[in-house]
Amino acid sequence: AQKITQTQPGMFVQEKEAVTLDCTYDTSDPSYGLFWYKQPSSGEMIFLIYQGSYDQQNATEGRYSLNFQKARKSANLVISASQLGDSAMYFCAMRGFTTDSWGKLQFGAGTQVVVTP
Amino acid sequence: DAGITQSPRYKITETGRQVTLMCHQTWSHSYMFWYRQDLGHGLRLIYYSAAADITDKGEVPDGYVVSRSKTENFPLTLESATRSQTSVYFCASIGLAGVEELFFGEGSRLTVL
Repeated sequence: AQKITQTQPGMFVQEKEAVTLDCTYDTSDPSYGLFWYKQPSSGEMIFLIYQGSYDQQNATEGRYSLNFQKARKSANLVISASQLGDSAMYFCAMRGFTTDSWGKLQFGAGTQVVVTP
Repeated sequence: DAGITQSPRYKITETGRQVTLMCHQTWSHSYMFWYRQDLGHGLRLIYYSAAADITDKGEVPDGYVVSRSKTENFPLTLESATRSQTSVYFCASIGLAGVEELFFGEGSRLTVL
């Protein structure tokens, strides 16, 4: 079974500062992918970044980077230079690549981020 | 336009009524999913489908029924709605290649009175 844990239910961050959102996971799948999604107040799910378990380098997408520490089973999201538009709920998610887990995304409970001026 | 659409976007119903949430995707993705979102739980998988006529239970399937007679459609039916099924429901899809992200619909907000 897979499990995703986000221990920060909510956090405030000042505009232009960096923020790190924690995510730990547990899986028995030998190969898996880790995702971060953003959900603004409008409700849609927006894909931010993906990290494969066998990727050698940490993923980056613009202001988003994923701090992947495989041995510690953590996949923290770092948002650099926060903007007011970054205020949203952020979800960490994982999927395995076995027959049973193929395609099924397991989500954490989410972290609510509020960016203040 | 290509994409994944859900209907209705908002629905209010009464306990015991049958409700069907529709999901349609235009990418011919093999895999489709239904998630429900509740505060404190993130998104939880209700049912998924690997192809037409192939469906399987997710984490929270009780009280729900799905079908997939065509690749592009994946309706979710609440046969006898309960208050605990008040939630936001997301449909999603992914292609066979599998390494890309899940594509989500806009969500359907269901209130059961």
